Amino acid sequence: GAGVSQSPSNKVTEKGKDVELRCDPISGHTALYWYRQSLGQGLEFLIYFQGNSAPDKSGLPSDRFSAERTGGSVSTLTIQRTQQEDSAVYLCASSPSTVRQFFGPGTRLTVL
Amino acid sequence: TQLLEQSPQFLSIQEGENLTVYCNSSSVFSSLQWYRQEPGEGPVLLVTVVTGGEVKKLKRLTFQFGDARKDSSLHITAAQPGDTGLYLCAGESGSGYALNFGKGTSLLVTP
Repeated sequence: GAGVSQSPSNKVTEKGKDVELRCDPISGHTALYWYRQSLGQGLEFLIYFQGNSAPDKSGLPSDRFSAERTGGSVSTLTIQRTQQEDSAVYLCASSPSTVRQFFGPGTRLTVL
Repeated sequence: TQLLEQSPQFLSIQEGENLTVYCNSSSVFSSLQWYRQEPGEGPVLLVTVVTGGEVKKLKRLTFQFGDARKDSSLHITAAQPGDTGLYLCAGESGSGYALNFGKGTSLLVTP
C-alpha cells in the first residue's frame, strides 16, 4: 500500500502570504502528527490528531499556525502571514494508534 | 519537554570502520526509537527498545537501551556508504503518542 504522502514537496512564498500544506496518511491510520524540522534541529512536535480531534496542539508555535483533519484522513496545516523563521521542512506522520509513526517525505517551505 | 542529546553531531568515516553514536537524557522513557533519515525523505524507523538493558541487533547495527532507560547507543559495524544519513533517536514518555526527538547525528561514510 501507499505510504504517507505530502504536498507540495516544495513551496516558496513571500513573507506575509498564507500557505496550506497537505498530508495524506496511510489508509486506516487513526493518529496523525505534524512536525517541523529546521536546519540543524531535530523534529519539533506541532500537533497530534486522533481521528478528527486534536487532543494535543501544544507544539503550535503561534496563533498563525492551525491544522485540521477531515474524515479521519487528510490533514491540512495552515500558516497565516508567513514569516522567514517559518522556513523549514514540515513533516507529517501517521500511526495505527501505536507509538510507531510512519513519516511522509515532507514539504520544504521557504519564506522569502 | 524531555530533552534528548545526541552525540556526535557529525561523523565522517571511511567504509569498513566501526562507529557508535549516543543518545542521552536526564529523563526516563518508556521506550526509545531510532530512525534514519535520508535527504529529501522522512525518517524511517529502525528499531524500538523498551526494556532497560535491552540489546537489539539489525544486521550490522546494534542498539542498546540503558539500564535506567535514560540513554541509548547505536553501534554500526563495518560501515558502508549506504549507511549515510541522519540518525535520530526519539523517546516516548508514556503518553502513548508523543515522541521527543534529538537533533540527530549526521553520518557520512565514504568509499
